Amino acid sequence: DTAVSQTPKYLVTQMGNDKSIKCEQNLGHDTMYWYKQDSKKFLKIMFSYNNKELIINETVPNRFSPKSPDKAHLNLHINSLELGDSAVYFCASSQDETAVNSPLHFGNGTRLTVT
Amino acid sequence: QQQVKQSPQSLIVQKGGISIINCAYENTAFDYFPWYQQFPGKGPALLIAIRPDVSEKKEGRFTISFNKSAKQFSLHIMDSQPGDSATYFCAASKSWGKLQFGAGTQVVVTP
Repeated sequence: DTAVSQTPKYLVTQMGNDKSIKCEQNLGHDTMYWYKQDSKKFLKIMFSYNNKELIINETVPNRFSPKSPDKAHLNLHINSLELGDSAVYFCASSQDETAVNSPLHFGNGTRLTVT
Repeated sequence: QQQVKQSPQSLIVQKGGISIINCAYENTAFDYFPWYQQFPGKGPALLIAIRPDVSEKKEGRFTISFNKSAKQFSLHIMDSQPGDSATYFCAASKSWGKLQFGAGTQVVVTP
């Protein structure tokens, strides 16, 4: 009964391809996120959704498009993959948008390698 | 521009020793300061957090020290164990804001 699950765990693909990463949470949380962790382990927020509505959209290339079909799911689609997209992508959820009252629960990550 | 600066980048400590990780922030509006722990192959998980109305918070072997005037906070791991080997991230936010993470500190505890 994993709280935040994302698939696939590993994704190896060639430049120019389009790929998707799926995320589901069973915690009943209202807010979901995508984070990118680079090779130096730096964590950077990409997107945040609250009840299916986009609330944070950091400076991310528009090749990245999140989609939230319902509040338990937040998928990430990436078009025209580039070498620099190689990273570990983490999905996370929290009860609401208030950092104080609702800690982030992270999935175990998807390691994307673009060749 | 990184809003939370974390040091050191890596740390090796012997079993039983004390691990100390330091973080500094600039935004005086920040009022929530959590620490996350990440094991290899896993996502980060909340370890301990502090609000600025207290100067110290302790949970088991983990202690956060907070210095509001210096805009600094630190994590102390007492009696470090090999199972504590992980990457530790400090973070900061306003109550309603997004978390700003530090760059992470890789801690290795040798037997």
